[in-house]
Amino acid sequence: RKEVEQDPGPFNVPEGATVAFNCTYSNSASQSFFWYRQDCRKEPKLLMSVYSSGNEDGRFTAQLNRASQYISLLIRDSKLSDSATYLCVVNGAYSGAGSYQLTFGKGTKLSVIP
Amino acid sequence: EPEVTQTPSHQVTQMGQEVILRCVPISNHLYFYWYRQILGQKVEFLVSFYNNEISEKSEIFDDQFSVERPDGSNFTLKIRSTKLEDSAMYFCASTSRFQGRREQYFGPGTRLTVT
Repeated sequence: RKEVEQDPGPFNVPEGATVAFNCTYSNSASQSFFWYRQDCRKEPKLLMSVYSSGNEDGRFTAQLNRASQYISLLIRDSKLSDSATYLCVVNGAYSGAGSYQLTFGKGTKLSVIP
Repeated sequence: EPEVTQTPSHQVTQMGQEVILRCVPISNHLYFYWYRQILGQKVEFLVSFYNNEISEKSEIFDDQFSVERPDGSNFTLKIRSTKLEDSAMYFCASTSRFQGRREQYFGPGTRLTVT
């Protein structure tokens, strides 16, 4: 049972390209959604939260479709520094125990090529 | 900018030994977490901690694992008798009660190698 599923990748794109990542999640009670990036052997770093109305942060745009349980991330004008693994992350429904455990996808590796 | 810190960055231990991994969460955060990532695999939730007690734990977090907040700043993960399959990156994370979307911030991790 795959709780958060992402494009397998890897994606190799030239600098300046637009690249899109997709993700689906299985828990319909999920409340919060995020994209994290992870560099090789480093910690996950929060890239952006994903809001129901869609949101943008500079070159990054995230979309959420709750009905389809689908999340996307669009990166415009790719930079070499965007090379990383992009993790789709879903926060489970509040359990009442004060916890919001995160469920991670396996990630999609992006390589931006000069 | 406040950060989660973790020590040590790398721990090598022999099978059957006890290890303690240490974390200092961001100072005004109230919820603390441990995750692990086996090489090449996804990040997995281990345990969450709030108000000096475990809130939730995964099936990975068996009797060999324990967590503690011994003082006002440190948060520790103890593995009592390490197994080869415990080799992984262990990440500590924390979040603020007042962040409506509960973004979690991760420390740099401790790489645990069990030989």
